[in-house]
Amino acid sequence: DTGVSQNPRHKITKRGQNVTFRCDPISEHNRLYWYRQTLGQGPEFLTYFQNEAQLEKSRLLSDRFSAERPKGSFSTLEIQRTEQGDSAMYLCASSLLTSGRGNEQFFGPGTRLTVL
Amino acid sequence: RKEVEQDPGPFNVPEGATVAFNCTYSNSASQSFFWYRQDCRKEPKLLMSVYSSGNEDGRFTAQLNRASQYISLLIRDSKLSDSATYLCVVNHQNTGFQKLVFGTGTRLLVSP
Repeated sequence: DTGVSQNPRHKITKRGQNVTFRCDPISEHNRLYWYRQTLGQGPEFLTYFQNEAQLEKSRLLSDRFSAERPKGSFSTLEIQRTEQGDSAMYLCASSLLTSGRGNEQFFGPGTRLTVL
Repeated sequence: RKEVEQDPGPFNVPEGATVAFNCTYSNSASQSFFWYRQDCRKEPKLLMSVYSSGNEDGRFTAQLNRASQYISLLIRDSKLSDSATYLCVVNHQNTGFQKLVFGTGTRLLVSP
């Protein structure tokens, strides 16, 4: 499968624990995005990488959240001291920087986080 | 006020019907526009881009009115498989990257 993959697909954790999610983008894609989606809402932008550089972070990304893309390939999103309000689907997307129209973002299947 | 607003529905239509979804956006600097489809508990997938001149892809027609900041999606001859949530998406071309802003989605249920 050459699409975007995310692991784990589901994570249940207790409040206060740390969790880490992984995203593997489509191999030639140099742009990687993280979004969060809660029930009944559309995805909300969290952060964006071009290669290994994190170029934009939403104000939704509190100090408890950190994302990395160390070698410009896979990315991790860590949430420290989880809160019940962090329960959501965390979606990763990737795209290829081109000069033309498009730059379609392809989404992974998401990691569903439940904080008890 | 949300940046992208959609009627959440659900829209319940019989097979074969024509259905239209509307969407408004607040940021006049938005550069590009899309409709994404999301099935229940699945990831969003690009349905079609929306161009100023309007565009069609089979049974789907998208239109953009920049003056009114309004986007529409028309589905003709609805199929059972069209049942999904349709997300209106705008791109804020800020600092050279694509920050997609999603609406809440409009849920479509097509019945036999």
